[in-house]
Amino acid sequence: GAGVSQTPSNKVTEKGKYVELRCDPISGHTALYWYRQSLGQGPEFLIYFQGTGAADDSGLPNDRFFAVRPEGSVSTLKIQRTERGDSAVYLCASSLYGGKETQYFGPGTRLLVL
Amino acid sequence: AQSVTQLDSQVPVFEEAPVELRCNYSSSVSVYLFWYVQYPNQGLQLLLKYLSGSTLVESINGFEAEFNKSQTSFHLRKPSVHISDTAEYFCAVTPSGGSYIPTFGRGTSLIVHP
Repeated sequence: GAGVSQTPSNKVTEKGKYVELRCDPISGHTALYWYRQSLGQGPEFLIYFQGTGAADDSGLPNDRFFAVRPEGSVSTLKIQRTERGDSAVYLCASSLYGGKETQYFGPGTRLLVL
Repeated sequence: AQSVTQLDSQVPVFEEAPVELRCNYSSSVSVYLFWYVQYPNQGLQLLLKYLSGSTLVESINGFEAEFNKSQTSFHLRKPSVHISDTAEYFCAVTPSGGSYIPTFGRGTSLIVHP
């Protein structure tokens, strides 16, 4: 079946602009995770959804970052007033029920803020 | 809180040679341990994991890792590498409860030379 998909694959924006990054999880997966991976670093947790609700958003760096999952499937990560330091690869992963279930990662969205 | 240290940022090795990628962690609670692999231009995928039971875990492509609680290590080994093993390898740890949010190491680039 289809894996986790993310769109766009690349996004270039200007400092101060608003961006939305989309994640389509594997069908039927209730848990969805967002991570950010900076160059030379491992993925860094941002937020975890269980169904429609954010079960853990402790990794969001500040209030410019927000994510939604209104129907418990597709999720959108929203970044307001982008800064050059937001440049990174944003990864999405899903798992069947969360917890210790295996997470399946998407290919990522590479965000460049000029 | 957890932390993961991957001491080697890059490991060059010749084909058919053995390899060990080191991973040490620290945590105040019990943990689960994971190794993920990222092949060039692909998303992260789970290689193997330790949840409980035997401290030696194996993957389908010949890698193995041993959980050593006293040394807080989870080193990844393969007795004979192939060119196709060239990839970025990430060690990760999650608490064995709560929201199971993983903390990743910064990754080790395995470069297999012919």
